[in-house]
Amino acid sequence: GESVGLHLPTLSVQEGDNSIINCAYSNSASDYFIWYKQESGKGPQFIIDIRSNMDKRQGQRVTVLLNKTVKHLSLQIAATQPGDSAVYFCAENEDSWGKLQFGAGTQVVVTP
Amino acid sequence: DAGVTQSPTHLIKTRGQHVTLRCSPISGHKSVSWYQQVLGQGPQFIFQYYEKEERGRGNFPDRFSARQFPNYSSELNVNALLLGDSALYLCASSGSGNQDQPQHFGDGTRLSIL
Repeated sequence: GESVGLHLPTLSVQEGDNSIINCAYSNSASDYFIWYKQESGKGPQFIIDIRSNMDKRQGQRVTVLLNKTVKHLSLQIAATQPGDSAVYFCAENEDSWGKLQFGAGTQVVVTP
Repeated sequence: DAGVTQSPTHLIKTRGQHVTLRCSPISGHKSVSWYQQVLGQGPQFIFQYYEKEERGRGNFPDRFSARQFPNYSSELNVNALLLGDSALYLCASSGSGNQDQPQHFGDGTRLSIL
């Protein structure tokens, strides 16, 4: 049978295509946001971060967009590769000292 | 350079027992945070320590406690274990623990309660 909480939203992407992962955050006072990638059996791996005084930041093959008006974050992955298959979490920093609040996560599956 | 290291990687306990989980931060990092991750969900914040002082605590019962040592390593202790404590326990470190520094995670300790 199925269990509550085991069904993450899933994004299926063909290898070589671009991926867009969306995240709604909860606290309008949050000033700092991070995207993490978590592969099976491992801890979350830092991908990219963005501060609230920015609306876009680019890294290697990744771009994060921040829309504070609607409290929305997105992560764009260019030319998605099989190694990008993982669960992706957005996290917001709600306090001045670093307590992270994580979103529910999105499972990305890259197909050949 | 070594990342965040956690021990043990896996642990099986029975209800009512206690457990101690250990974490070594990235060299030079002074802040350590602990998170609990239940299968299929995002990590939930438990504690943050900086310079051996507790900076914050999440919504967890008093059965959960932690401490940070002079070398910045940390221990998470859980007493009177319940079945619901079965989870992946993650440790993260950052330079100062301030808001705008990314936290880097270890691979966690998988705790199973029978």
